[in-house]
Amino acid sequence: GEDVEQSLFLSVREGDSSVINCTYTDSSSTYLYWYKQEPGAGLQLLTYIFSNMDMKQDQRLTVLLNKKDKHLSLRIADTQTGDSAIYFCAESLSYGNKLVFGAGTILRVKS
Amino acid sequence: DSGVTQTPKHLITATGQRVTLRCSPRSGDLSVYWYQQSLDQGLQFLIQYYNGEERAKGNILERFSAQQFPDLHSELNLSSLELGDSALYFCASSLSSGGAYEQFFGPGTRLTVL
Repeated sequence: GEDVEQSLFLSVREGDSSVINCTYTDSSSTYLYWYKQEPGAGLQLLTYIFSNMDMKQDQRLTVLLNKKDKHLSLRIADTQTGDSAIYFCAESLSYGNKLVFGAGTILRVKS
Repeated sequence: DSGVTQTPKHLITATGQRVTLRCSPRSGDLSVYWYQQSLDQGLQFLIQYYNGEERAKGNILERFSAQQFPDLHSELNLSSLELGDSALYFCASSLSSGGAYEQFFGPGTRLTVL
């Protein structure tokens, strides 16, 4: 079945690294995504990883995928107050393009 | 700005009523998706259209319907509204269907049913 789980809350200090974790159940997931939602705004795609990759780095963002454990993580280096938002993990299944989202992780960055 | 527009931004209505939410995709995008974001259900996929045709269906209630017009804009119709339909409704668009085509999300329509 389709299920994506995330921890609900993460608090870090400005300048520290943040690691947001996600687990998914469907092994046929083809693409895994990280979206950011700021208050009152829509969802912004931060990055995505294809299921045959282990890691993807994009500036301050590093995505790690452990396909065996169905575990995805997003690391934000040098976290800034502007990174405070809700972060959603999502999967796209091989048989369609709909996105299945986790519940979202609220990231709070303390200055 | 994602290039996806949604109107109206806010909608307040009463139970039993019917409303229409409108979405204009990014220029050139053929696929439109509708998602519902509520406190108890989270973000849920409702329905997808590709070039005017329904492509995939998710957890969309029978009271809800959607369509995509020849100019590629889409409308989501919600009828016999209930309190539980209060949510943020997002539209997203992508160039095509399937694969890693990025879905660009609109700012959403906040529906409040009183």
